[in-house]
Amino acid sequence: QQQVKQSPQSLIVQKGGISIINCAYENTAFDYFPWYQQFPGKGPALLIAIRPDVSEKKEGRFTISFNKSAKQFSLHIMDSQPGDSATYFCAARTTSGTYKYIFGTGTRLKVLA
Amino acid sequence: DSGVTQTPKHLITATGQRVTLRCSPRSGDLSVYWYQQSLDQGLQFLIQYYNGEERAKGNILERFSAQQFPDLHSELNLSSLELGDSALYFCASSVTSSVPYNEQFFGPGTRLTVL
Repeated sequence: QQQVKQSPQSLIVQKGGISIINCAYENTAFDYFPWYQQFPGKGPALLIAIRPDVSEKKEGRFTISFNKSAKQFSLHIMDSQPGDSATYFCAARTTSGTYKYIFGTGTRLKVLA
Repeated sequence: DSGVTQTPKHLITATGQRVTLRCSPRSGDLSVYWYQQSLDQGLQFLIQYYNGEERAKGNILERFSAQQFPDLHSELNLSSLELGDSALYFCASSVTSSVPYNEQFFGPGTRLTVL
């Protein structure tokens, strides 16, 4: 079954804290795992992405950790800022047939000033 | 600004009606994707077109259809609308569907309200 489970549904973090969002998948025919950030009234925008042959990718304050054996990946936002307040979606791209993306249900992050 | 444009921004209509949502991909992008975003369902993939041809189908209802025109813009047609069709509809584009790790760029969305 092609599904990506995301948790938590919502998250409140103090400024300067670490935000952690988790995703898990079942289908092994995924080859690319992007994270998207969406601000209210806007479309999702690619934040950071990882391939399954890499266990960690860091871009600035954002880090993806990938555990292939556990079929889990997570987004860590270090030194969270109020400007990070948004909805975050994990996704996985299928390789069976043509490429298409399966999205998690989203995590609404609020960073308190 | 992602370079993907969608019109209209907002659409209010009644049950049973038919609407058309329009998407213009980024310049040079051949692939267009349509997604539905509702509060409790997150982003649901509907359908993908590549250079005018349908490439992949997701959870798209039979009342919905789409096409991609020779100039690469795409339209999503929603008919016999129901209250549950109220959602944000996003279009995304990418250079191609076959290049590994190609990024999808999302438009600003069309908010559909069915009364």
